[in-house]
Amino acid sequence: DQQVKQNSPSLSVQEGRISILNCDYTNSMFDYFLWYKKYPAEGPTFLISISSIKDKNEDGRFTVFLNKSAKHLSLHIVPSQPGDSAVYFCAASASPYDDMRFGAGTRLTVKP
Amino acid sequence: GAGVSQSPSNKVTEKGKDVELRCDPISGHTALYWYRQSLGQGLEFLIYFQGNSAPDKSGLPSDRFSAERTGGSVSTLTIQRTQQEDSAVYLCASSLGGRVIQYFGAGTRLSVL
Repeated sequence: DQQVKQNSPSLSVQEGRISILNCDYTNSMFDYFLWYKKYPAEGPTFLISISSIKDKNEDGRFTVFLNKSAKHLSLHIVPSQPGDSAVYFCAASASPYDDMRFGAGTRLTVKP
Repeated sequence: GAGVSQSPSNKVTEKGKDVELRCDPISGHTALYWYRQSLGQGLEFLIYFQGNSAPDKSGLPSDRFSAERTGGSVSTLTIQRTQQEDSAVYLCASSLGGRVIQYFGAGTRLSVL
């Protein structure tokens, strides 16, 4: 049962442009949403999070938007840099004490 | 080191053999998670330990899979009678109790021939 879905397996953008990664979820109990970034041969690392009381959270070049009514969140990276090339996982949890569900990931390639 | 440590980094085994994968979480982290990432797939939740509570085993795919966490620290994931479909990267993560952010190890790549 895929409760968190990332429908785009890959995305390619030009350096300096905006990258938009999308994520949809089905469980209305989810209240915490995170994005992780994964380089090859490394474990995922936490990037940015948002809780359901907000609809936007910004950290430098990274912004996460949450639309609870649509059960949709997105990660915006602007401007994109070649070092941002990685696999990005969306994750969701109902509470800090519940297990987290991950999407299948989107491979972002930023071309110089 | 200060991060989550997993060993071995790579494991090649023959079908039918048992394997043990080890995870050393970040010191002080009370929550520990195991995930599996098969080729082309996302992170599949396997099991979750939180302090002294009974573990959440709801993600274990079959009774060939089991995990222990001794002394609230090191965890071992055991796969008995391995099958080729068990081939995947097995990731361990830990977090402070009550905190959502998880810190991942680099994973163990398991190949079942």
